[in-house]
Order: sequence, then C-alpha cells, then structure tokens
Amino acid sequence: DVKVTQSSRYLVKRTGEKVFLECVQDMDHENMFWYRQDPGLGLRLIYFSYDVKMKEKGDIPEGYSVSREKKERFSLILESASTNQTSMYLCASSLRTVIFEQFFGPGTRLTVL
Amino acid sequence: SQQGEEDPQALSIQEGENATMNCSYKTSINNLQWYRQNSGRGLVHLILIRSNEREKHSGRLRVTLDTSKKSSSLLITASRAADTASYFCATVNDNQGGKLIFGQGTELSVKP
Repeated sequence: DVKVTQSSRYLVKRTGEKVFLECVQDMDHENMFWYRQDPGLGLRLIYFSYDVKMKEKGDIPEGYSVSREKKERFSLILESASTNQTSMYLCASSLRTVIFEQFFGPGTRLTVL
Repeated sequence: SQQGEEDPQALSIQEGENATMNCSYKTSINNLQWYRQNSGRGLVHLILIRSNEREKHSGRLRVTLDTSKKSSSLLITASRAADTASYFCATVNDNQGGKLIFGQGTELSVKP
C-alpha cells in the first residue's frame, strides 16, 4: 500500500514563527503536492513538485515556500506564520502521468495563535 | 481555482438507500476522479473515469460522465452508516500538468 505520512497531526504555533510541515511518501512517486483545506473553500493547491529540486506554484503560494531535496520528501515552509494560515494542510503524491490518482496523507491541523 | 462544483452540498439519507452526488466542471478534462474524506482525515481515492468513458463501476459505486454537459455523478447503492463522509470530485485537465482541481464536496450522512 502507498503510504504518505505527515510529521504532525496537530500543531500550534505563534504568529511570526517559522513553521515546517514535512511529508514523506514511500512509493517512489515523482509528483508531490501541498494543499490547504478550509470550510467553504475546499482544497486549494499551494505548491507542487514534479521532481527533486523542482517546484511549481499552485493557486495560493503567497506566504509559503517548499523544499524537495529528496524524491520521497516534500516540505512546506511558512516563513512567518500568520493567523490566516490556520488551516488543515494535506500532502499528496502521485505517479508522473496525469491519469493516476493522488494518494493523501492524514493531514496536519495547524493553529496559529 | 475551483472547477468542480458538487451538488448537493449536504445529503442525509437512511441506511439502505441510494445516495447520488453530482459534479459539474467548466473546462475540458483528461479524467475525473472521486475522493472520500472521513472527518478530520486525508482524502482517499475512490474511482477514476477517463474523458472517453461514460460509466464505471466499483463495488457499490457507480460513476457516470457526460462530457457534453460537463458533469459527473457518483451513485452509492445500498448505503451504510460507514459511508458517512465528505465526497469530492476532482478534475485533471490536459493543460494543467496533472494537477487536480477539487470541488467543495458533498457531505453525506447515512443514518442507521
């Protein structure tokens, strides 16, 4: 079974802190994605990566950056956390081709105080 | 940007009944996928239907796709309390590099 793990299920941070969310997949998938999910807004794509050291902006990249130094690991960084970044963050991975599904991690619920 | 729009936003039925959820989208697609999310958890892939397919089955799930109307439906037959979850459609467009574009979901409640 494909397994996508995220470093924390729940996280509480203070405004202005630098926050790292880690995602690891064990199926040698090329593509990895970071989404945030908010009530009434659905899932919105923050950043994605098609390969090591490659990154592409999604629909809402402002206030975030990412790092993909190894194929299995995709990190989301909040440079200076703000209260409007309180959300559920979901990581996903997939094979390179467009016809395959994405596999999701369990999510990290981040609260910024 | 959100492309898929699910309808209804919420659905409440009794165990044993069928549940139908609809999804509409705006641009041409490569494929359409349905996902399920239990409360507070990640999404789980249910079924994928390609743009040249019209209907697909998987266990108690039946998905239809009408590309002329840019719409899809997910039917869950003989529903169970364990089917209670949110259901999302997501589209993959040829010119979006494999990105999934999600709708806002239908919240299904199946009462025992």
